[in-house]
Amino acid sequence: NAGVTQTPKFQVLKTGQSMTLQCAQDMNHEYMSWYRQDPGMGLRLIHYSVGAGITDQGEVPNGYNVSRSTTEDFPLRLLSAAPSQTSVYFCASSYSTGFSKNIQYFGAGTRLSVL
Amino acid sequence: EDKVVQSPLSLVVHEGDTVTLNCSYEVTNFRSLLWYKQEKKAPTFLFMLTSSGIEKKSGRLSSILDKKELFSILNITATQTGDSAIYLCAVGSYRLDSGGYQKVTFGIGTKLQVIP
Repeated sequence: NAGVTQTPKFQVLKTGQSMTLQCAQDMNHEYMSWYRQDPGMGLRLIHYSVGAGITDQGEVPNGYNVSRSTTEDFPLRLLSAAPSQTSVYFCASSYSTGFSKNIQYFGAGTRLSVL
Repeated sequence: EDKVVQSPLSLVVHEGDTVTLNCSYEVTNFRSLLWYKQEKKAPTFLFMLTSSGIEKKSGRLSSILDKKELFSILNITATQTGDSAIYLCAVGSYRLDSGGYQKVTFGIGTKLQVIP
């Protein structure tokens, strides 16, 4: 059972480049989220989706776009990379009913460096 | 603004010791409190607590929630080197305008190192 799969695991970008972080889950979860984790800051929500075709902003959305065309996939796009976007990015998914909504299943993360 | 504060930020203990990790929170529309363990990669779910005073246990780990005082503790007894990790506390809350999505606010974590 693969769970939540993120690619790539590592990426180095130059300032101004764009790229897409991929995320796929095979648990048929309705909810999916993107977080970034920075030292001393904890995990912060970038964008989330409650189902195919529905996305919304989290607390740090600037510089990122998302789309959700299928239940399984939730890619995160960096439009024009900046050094402030150097971070570890986690994709997560969860069920959509009851208290299970709060239990996030995380991918292994993407470590991104922007030079 | 929702806030989750963990203490201590780091801890070094010897194998066999018992440790207590603390988590206090201030959130609007509290729904649940969660503990995760993060080793080198993804956080993995340990416990979810929704009611005060009811202890959740899994082997040597246990946790309890106090909704009146707005805190939770995670206890680890007879620690082993495999318990070395960052332990994250998170609080789930609901928003009326989010299409059912429930926001989860994470603390910075407590880094636990268990030495032989």
